Amino acid sequence: EVQLVESGGDLVQPGGSLRLSCAASGFTFDEYAMHWVRQAPGKGLDWVSEINWNSGRINYADSVKGRFTISRDNAKNSLYLVMNSLRADDTALYYCAKGGSAGILDYWGQGTLVTVSS
Amino acid sequence: QSALTQPASVSGSPGQSITISCIGTSSDVGTFNYVSWYQQHPGKAPKLMIFDVSNRPSGVSNRFSGSKSGNTASLSISGLQAEDEADYYCSSYTSTSTLVFGGGTKLTVL
Repeated sequence: EVQLVESGGDLVQPGGSLRLSCAASGFTFDEYAMHWVRQAPGKGLDWVSEINWNSGRINYADSVKGRFTISRDNAKNSLYLVMNSLRADDTALYYCAKGGSAGILDYWGQGTLVTVSS
Repeated sequence: QSALTQPASVSGSPGQSITISCIGTSSDVGTFNYVSWYQQHPGKAPKLMIFDVSNRPSGVSNRFSGSKSGNTASLSISGLQAEDEADYYCSSYTSTSTLVFGGGTKLTVL
């Protein structure tokens, strides 16, 4: 059974930093791309970033480019998102999702909540 | 990358059929057959319902179907059931190798 468990969400002040983690199990982690998707309270889904199986291809949404960094450790079956220069509009539930081909997100975690507020 | 355009809400009675549209551009929906649809119940994670425009993952009811014409993709649900009441989101791969979601559609089963 595929399981994705996010952690690291917290209350952080504007301008601060945070590191999210996603622990994966139930599939061969190093064969698949992984994504981060966020959802602000009461709002829709917002794609954040993707990393391919060997970290050779990484893409970001324009809204986070230059502030967020996605990475993975295949030896630990883990995905990460380092978020710097956080703003109030980064407040959201952050999901990690397993990628299929060309943008298919076939399994999702339950999310970790990031709140940016003073 | 602008969000794909979906109606804010649709409704139907049990047993009826509904269709949700997803309007993109030639940089996403119009060029790539990589449109997916997700169902999200309140307080739950999204669930993949349709991928590659019209394919259903294993375990998804055949009451759900997808199609595309030009820059517009559509999700159809036949034989509406109470459990179908949820938010639905479309997504598409884009020409800049990113993903874009629609704003979401709230389906109400009357």
